[in-house]
Amino acid sequence: GAGVSQSPRYKVAKRGQDVALRCDPISGHVSLFWYQQALGQGPEFLTYFQNEAQLDKSGLPSDRFFAERPEGSVSTLKIQRTQQEDSAVYLCASSLTGDNSPLHFGNGTRLTVT
Amino acid sequence: GESVGLHLPTLSVQEGDNSIINCAYSNSASDYFIWYKQESGKGPQFIIDIRSNMDKRQGQRVTVLLNKTVKHLSLQIAATQPGDSAVYFCAPGGQGGKLIFGQGTELSVKP
Repeated sequence: GAGVSQSPRYKVAKRGQDVALRCDPISGHVSLFWYQQALGQGPEFLTYFQNEAQLDKSGLPSDRFFAERPEGSVSTLKIQRTQQEDSAVYLCASSLTGDNSPLHFGNGTRLTVT
Repeated sequence: GESVGLHLPTLSVQEGDNSIINCAYSNSASDYFIWYKQESGKGPQFIIDIRSNMDKRQGQRVTVLLNKTVKHLSLQIAATQPGDSAVYFCAPGGQGGKLIFGQGTELSVKP
């Protein structure tokens, strides 16, 4: 079946612009996660949802980052007033149940802030 | 906070040899562990997982060993192939299914 789908695949933004990154999880998956991956590093946790509830947003680096999943399916990660340090790959993952269940990742959105 | 360390940032092996990638973790409460493979330009791909009530699990050409006493995991790849070249991450599970990733080990397979 279809995996996790993320769009756009690449995004170039001028410093100060707002961006919105979309994630379509695997159908029926309850949990959805956002990670940030800098070049040469492992993915770092940003936030996660169980259905439409955002249960943990401890990894969001600043209040410029906002995530939502209003109907418990598609999720959007929004970054306001982008800065150069926001340049990274943003990965979305979903899992069937959450605890002790593998995360299935999309191929990410590569954000470049100029 | 929790950390995950990998013993070698890079590993180079000859095609056909076996590969062993090691991983240390800090949180003794972790009870679920996953190994991922990440190729350039792609998201991490699930390889194999293991729960803390096991010390060994085998998949196709891969074996994961878990030593909870010393908080150590290893991934063994048998008969390594060029297609195995990638960055490998171990990821202990956390609360709510959140995974903590280390820096990764880059595996290069020489033909």
